[in-house]
Amino acid sequence: GAVVSQHPSWVICKSGTSVKIECRSLDFQATTMFWYRQFPKQSLMLMATSNEGSKATYEQGVEKDKFLINHASLTLSTLTVTSAHPEDSSFYICSAPALAGDVGEQYFGPGTRLTVT
Amino acid sequence: GQNIDQPTEMTATEGAIVQINCTYQTSGFNGLFWYQQHAGEAPTFLSYNVLDGLEEKGRFSSFLSRSKGYSYLLLKELQMKDSASYLCAASDSNYQLIWGAGTKLIIKP
Repeated sequence: GAVVSQHPSWVICKSGTSVKIECRSLDFQATTMFWYRQFPKQSLMLMATSNEGSKATYEQGVEKDKFLINHASLTLSTLTVTSAHPEDSSFYICSAPALAGDVGEQYFGPGTRLTVT
Repeated sequence: GQNIDQPTEMTATEGAIVQINCTYQTSGFNGLFWYQQHAGEAPTFLSYNVLDGLEEKGRFSSFLSRSKGYSYLLLKELQMKDSASYLCAASDSNYQLIWGAGTKLIIKP
């Protein structure tokens, strides 16, 4: 099946620094990718929809200037957490639709655990 | 508003059967998904229902009643590796997924 990779799998950074997380579709092209955040024992929360060649669509309450998304190609989307704070510590997961234009079944990346100290 | 409800935690015995229920309220409806998520890992797709009825896939089955806004995931012949969280997600009129908080399933020997 289709594979989505994320890098890094975990990262520890200091408050005030920025962290970039990469999401790649390895054997298929993804014009759309989704970025989720998941806090312990909570469900997935959609942060934004990344669109190749255009601006990302952010969910209500998500600061677009803090969480920078760039969909550089049909196989790569990046999420940069700027000026990270301890409350940004979370599990960040990206996904891509199994079918273009269909947000239903999604292939998820393995996730990136971010810890801000 | 849009809402997904599922139990927080369930416990079952190895070899037994367990049913995880999910009720949903969405603006429009384009299907119901079940995902499995092991601790510290990303979710993996289990099933998709858009028509009423039961879909069987090996040890796992999923049921949907659109009129009742209700679905369940049925797991048979439980194995220890089935210990995980099970996420219910409904697709709304804009094809956006509305996620439940997940049901943590604990399997005991």
